Amino acid sequence: NAGVTQTPKFQVLKTGQSMTLQCAQDMNHNSMYWYRQDPGMGLRLIYYSASEGTTDKGEVPNGYNVSRLNKREFSLRLESAAPSQTSVYFCASRTWEAERVNEQFFGPGTRLTVL
Amino acid sequence: DQQVKQNSPSLSVQEGRISILNCDYTNSMFDYFLWYKKYPAEGPTFLISISSIKDKNEDGRFTVFLNKSAKHLSLHIVPSQPGDSAVYFCAASATAQKLVFGQGTRLTINP
Repeated sequence: NAGVTQTPKFQVLKTGQSMTLQCAQDMNHNSMYWYRQDPGMGLRLIYYSASEGTTDKGEVPNGYNVSRLNKREFSLRLESAAPSQTSVYFCASRTWEAERVNEQFFGPGTRLTVL
Repeated sequence: DQQVKQNSPSLSVQEGRISILNCDYTNSMFDYFLWYKKYPAEGPTFLISISSIKDKNEDGRFTVFLNKSAKHLSLHIVPSQPGDSAVYFCAASATAQKLVFGQGTRLTINP
């Protein structure tokens, strides 16, 4: 199992450009998440998908959109990138198995710089 | 409003000694708490967790203590090893759907 995979690993954008961050998991998990990590801020939830076909806003959704393409894939789109979106982005997934229902599994991250 | 706080940005401990990382929370609805460990250029990995019905959970060198009345949890690592050098995040959950993370504490284990 590859677990949670993210592409790309690194990306540099100019202000106003758009891009999509891709995330896939092969653990048959139902729920998927997008976080951003900024220095001194911990991980903050952008959007999540509790199950295939549903998406909900997290703590910091402004400037982002998401698509739960199928059970495996959950993408994050920046329509018009801004310097404030410079961050490290993590995708995570979660099983519904009772013993591990609270545990989230994280991908390796995408480091995004917006100039 | 920061619901989960890790007030120490960094901690330095000598190899073989005990490392104690602290975390405070404000939301009394939190019923599950987790610790994650993160190495540079990698995603966070799950370390240990505790339910609010317990006050202690142990897994090898790692023990998490929960003090509900003080809304405080701590992670003890004994003995500390160089490979424990990483950033540690505590997280809390009021529903299984979402986790709220603290800011992280960078632990450095000195030989």
